[in-house]
Amino acid sequence: AQSVAQPEDQVNVAEGNPLTVKCTYSVSGNPYLFWYVQYPNRGLQFLLKYITGDNLVKGSYGFEAEFNKSQTSFHLKKPSALVSDSALYFCAVRDPFTGNTGKLIFGQGTTLQVKP
Amino acid sequence: SQTIHQWPATLVQPVGSPLSLECTVEGTSNPNLYWYRQAAGRGLQLLFYSVGIGQISSEVPQNLSASRPQDRQFILSSKKLLLSDSGFYLCAWSVTQNTEAFFGQGTRLTVV
Repeated sequence: AQSVAQPEDQVNVAEGNPLTVKCTYSVSGNPYLFWYVQYPNRGLQFLLKYITGDNLVKGSYGFEAEFNKSQTSFHLKKPSALVSDSALYFCAVRDPFTGNTGKLIFGQGTTLQVKP
Repeated sequence: SQTIHQWPATLVQPVGSPLSLECTVEGTSNPNLYWYRQAAGRGLQLLFYSVGIGQISSEVPQNLSASRPQDRQFILSSKKLLLSDSGFYLCAWSVTQNTEAFFGQGTRLTVV
C-alpha cells in the first residue's frame, strides 16, 4: 500500500541556519511527490513538486527538495530559515497508477519551529 | 485565475443535527474534487473524491456523505452529526494527476 512517512513530529532550528524536513515514501512505480505548508487554522499551501526530471526541485519561499529514488526520500530544505517559516509541513505522494483520480496521500506532518 | 471557496469558516453544531459544507471552484472546468478531514491539527485523511458530476467515491466508512450536483460544486453532508465528526475539513481540487492540488481555507467543525 502507498504510504508517506515524516519521521519527525517537530524540527527546531535557529533563524539563519539551514533546515531539513524529512519525508520518505512507499509507492508502486514512479511517484509524484509534493510538499505543502499549513499555517494555523488555514488551508494547505503548495510549495513544490517532483514529477520527473531533475532530482532537485525549487519551490516557493526559497524552499527546495531533493528526490532520492534509491532512498525513497523527498526531503524539504532551505539554506537559511526565517522565523516566518514556522508552520506545519506536509509531504504528500500521488501514486501514478491510481488513474485520473489524483488522490494524495499525506504524511502526518512536521512542525517547524524557527527561533530568532 | 482559479480560486476555491469553502464555507463556513467555523461551525458549532449539536450532536444529532444535520450538516452541509459547501465548496466551489472557479476558473477551471471538470476538476477533480476532494474532501479531507484533519484531526488534532495533524495528518489529513481523504474522505471523498469526485472525478465528475454525480461521481463520488468514498475512502473510509463514516457518518458523512458527499455530493457533486454541479461541475465545480462539492458538498459534504451528514444527517446526524456525532461528536467524532469534529475536526477541520478541507476541500481541494486538481486538474490532472501530475499537477498539484489546491486547497480551500477549511471549515472548523465542532460538534457539542
